[in-house]
Amino acid sequence: AQSVSQHNHHVILSEAASLELGCNYSYGGTVNLFWYVQYPGQHLQLLLKYFSGDPLVKGIKGFEAEFIKSKFSFNLRKPSVQWSDTAEYFCAVGSGNTGKLIFGQGTTLQVKP
Amino acid sequence: DAGVTQSPTHLIKTRGQHVTLRCSPISGHKSVSWYQQVLGQGPQFIFQYYEKEERGRGNFPDRFSARQFPNYSSELNVNALLLGDSALYLCASATYGADTQYFGPGTRLTVL
Repeated sequence: AQSVSQHNHHVILSEAASLELGCNYSYGGTVNLFWYVQYPGQHLQLLLKYFSGDPLVKGIKGFEAEFIKSKFSFNLRKPSVQWSDTAEYFCAVGSGNTGKLIFGQGTTLQVKP
Repeated sequence: DAGVTQSPTHLIKTRGQHVTLRCSPISGHKSVSWYQQVLGQGPQFIFQYYEKEERGRGNFPDRFSARQFPNYSSELNVNALLLGDSALYLCASATYGADTQYFGPGTRLTVL
């Protein structure tokens, strides 16, 4: 069965610290990969996506992610977090042919000023 | 441009009742998907509709049904509500089935 695993459930960082959130998936075919973010009181927003091409993708607000096919991973990174990055982050995988997204359980990021 | 809109925002029902949730996609988007998000978990896929046809269904009982209208808006219906149906129901739209999905604010359903 397809699955998405986010290793970090709750991360606490100080401002200016570097961030890396892990995401591994289980699926044998062509995949589309996403990171969504949910800021407090707001709805899910697309942070970045990978469909094909350069495995290092850049998103909004200085976030980037790297697709490593051999490791079935799509980790999210940011060199220096800000207090405003406090939010819940979801990794999601879609198969190449359908719109079904499988989400990880999410990582709550708390950035201390 | 207006994003995905959902109504109502909040809903309280009792066990055994039925509920209808509504979603309007982004203009020009022909695909609508529904997800259930229980507190502390990631969204779980319920249905996808594209061009008014069901294109995918998640592991949910037959109490859950949906449809898409000619204007691409969609309804999610849940019959015989159970306490466990309490969740945030999210609608997402995309230009076509496998394209990037954009989410609405959700409908918070509480079943008492």
